[in-house]
Amino acid sequence: DAGVTQSPTHLIKTRGQQVTLRCSPKSGHDTVSWYQQALGQGPQFIFQYYEEEERQRGNFPDRFSGHQFPNYSSELNVNALLLGDSALYLCASSLSNWRSSGANVLTFGAGSRLTVL
Amino acid sequence: GENVEQHPSTLSVQEGDSAVIKCTYSDSASNYFPWYKQELGKRPQLIIDIRSNVGEKKDQRIAVTLNKTAKHFSLHITETQPEDSAVYFCAASDQAGTALIFGKGTTLSVSS
Repeated sequence: DAGVTQSPTHLIKTRGQQVTLRCSPKSGHDTVSWYQQALGQGPQFIFQYYEEEERQRGNFPDRFSGHQFPNYSSELNVNALLLGDSALYLCASSLSNWRSSGANVLTFGAGSRLTVL
Repeated sequence: GENVEQHPSTLSVQEGDSAVIKCTYSDSASNYFPWYKQELGKRPQLIIDIRSNVGEKKDQRIAVTLNKTAKHFSLHITETQPEDSAVYFCAASDQAGTALIFGKGTTLSVSS
């Protein structure tokens, strides 16, 4: 049973460019969340997708956008890259019925490390 | 805004000793508190979690305690082993329960 898979694992971009990161959720999961982890920091919530819609968004500018496909996979797009966007981008999947269990239990992927020069 | 404070930032112990990491959270609506272990270059892995209707939970050498009144929760690792060396993150659910608010992490080093 594959867990959460992300691609690419590493990439280098220059300021002003655009990037697309991809995520396939764990088998059976239908909800995808994206987090940004700067070096030496804890992950920060970017947004969550369920039923192909953005359900909640963290404190990130509109340069960060996403998409969820009918097979539950997801993309994170970042436009007009800044040096400060350099980070590990983590995708996490979960089950949409978490409200009945009382906890949105996340399974993380290994991340995509983005370096902006 | 919602915030999670984590202490200490680094912790060094001898093999066999206990390790304790403490977190405080700001949002009284938080009701889910997971702990993640992240080894260098790897994904965060859930090691234990606790929900607001429980005060303590134990899984072999790992235990978590929650004090909702004080908005404190702690991770306790007993009989530490070198393979416990990693960065540990605490987190608390946000008001909607959708997102996790993470602490800044504790780097645990266990020397043999």
